[in-house]
Amino acid sequence: GDSVTQMEGPVTLSEEAFLTINCTYTATGYPSLFWYVQYPGEGLQLLLKATKADDKGSNKGFEATYRKETTSFHLEKGSVQVSDSAVYFCALTSGAQKLVFGQGTRLTINP
Amino acid sequence: DTGVSQDPRHKITKRGQNVTFRCDPISEHNRLYWYRQTLGQGPEFLTYFQNEAQLEKSRLLSDRFSAERPKGSFSTLEIQRTEQGDSAMYLCASSPGYQNGNTEAFFGQGTRLTVV
Repeated sequence: GDSVTQMEGPVTLSEEAFLTINCTYTATGYPSLFWYVQYPGEGLQLLLKATKADDKGSNKGFEATYRKETTSFHLEKGSVQVSDSAVYFCALTSGAQKLVFGQGTRLTINP
Repeated sequence: DTGVSQDPRHKITKRGQNVTFRCDPISEHNRLYWYRQTLGQGPEFLTYFQNEAQLEKSRLLSDRFSAERPKGSFSTLEIQRTEQGDSAMYLCASSPGYQNGNTEAFFGQGTRLTVV
């Protein structure tokens, strides 16, 4: 079945550092790809998405590019802030639009 | 509209008891999903509704679990004869489906179940 694999955490960075969180997927068909974020005490929020190969999703300084040839959707940000501390989930949908999530990566940014 | 609402936020129950959770989706969203999230893991799909019809159920949804969405509005998830392994965060999400090509799912804050 469809699956998503994320780099294991936790990840700890200093403020203004460059961030990459790796995500690879296995899917039949042509999935849409998503990054969701969960801030402490809050629900899951959509961060960005891409619906077809070579699309780039972006939001709040975060970016991810749908790479069909490497089945990847890595999340990047050029300069992280303390407020970016959260758990990040890579996910895909196919078929009936149900989401298949990775295990999540906890990110902590130190001032 | 205040987003997806779930009630209760927390539930502690004794093993063997029945529990019921409620989810109120965003108005006019015709799709409603239930997911379960255990500590340190990503959410796992349980079931989803298109309006009032339950169209898919995961193998994770044992006979003790039942979900309904009467009249295509709010939904309930009931767990009968709870077991300690049922302890998890239960998440509800809704989406407008394929309207306008928008397939984004909006999540509630979840109901945290602890079975003691």
